[in-house]
Amino acid sequence: DAGVIQSPRHEVTEMGQEVTLRCKPISGHDYLFWYRQTMMRGLELLIYFNNNVPIDDSGMPEDRFSAKMPNASFSTLKIQPSEPRDSAVYFCASSSWGNNYGYTFGSGTRLTVV
Amino acid sequence: DAKTTQPPSMDCAEGRAANLPCNHSTISGNEYVYWYRQIHSQGPQYIIHGLKNNETNEMASLIITEDRKSSTLILPHATLRDTAVYYCIVRPRDDKIIFGKGTRLHILP
Repeated sequence: DAGVIQSPRHEVTEMGQEVTLRCKPISGHDYLFWYRQTMMRGLELLIYFNNNVPIDDSGMPEDRFSAKMPNASFSTLKIQPSEPRDSAVYFCASSSWGNNYGYTFGSGTRLTVV
Repeated sequence: DAKTTQPPSMDCAEGRAANLPCNHSTISGNEYVYWYRQIHSQGPQYIIHGLKNNETNEMASLIITEDRKSSTLILPHATLRDTAVYYCIVRPRDDKIIFGKGTRLHILP
């Protein structure tokens, strides 16, 4: 199993541009999570899905952020328009009901907005 | 989620056992204790979890006190590769994970 795959690994964009981060969860996992990590705020849960349906988006910072999961094998996190304060590492994780191994995280996308 | 309290940092000599404490005095009966770690520049990694009984796997041991108000993660023979931030989390199984600040463990050669 290749694990949770995120792309791109690094993204540098200019303020005001649209940014799309991508995630492929582990096959068979029915939960998908998006986290953001900064030095100041640590790891923050942004949103999570169960069976492709958003369950809790209370961590999404503002309307500029949106996330979708069109099928069980793909999810996107979009920021439009991006701002310098969105610079962070964004992690995707997946899990399954009753999984004894907890969440499996991807390697993250390091986003820099200049 | 129940709050957890962890020391911000700890040192351990390579080859020795690393014992990482966690206080969770308000834990509820249906909440598990989970441990994750994050090695620099990587995503968090699941280590172990438990409800009441002590647990052991190939990575670590988890000791939970009888009143469940605290626990200790034990890395039996720490290596330099165990240098990481270790997070103790309490939550109902299959609920969302909220990370705190964790303990930064330094393994000293």
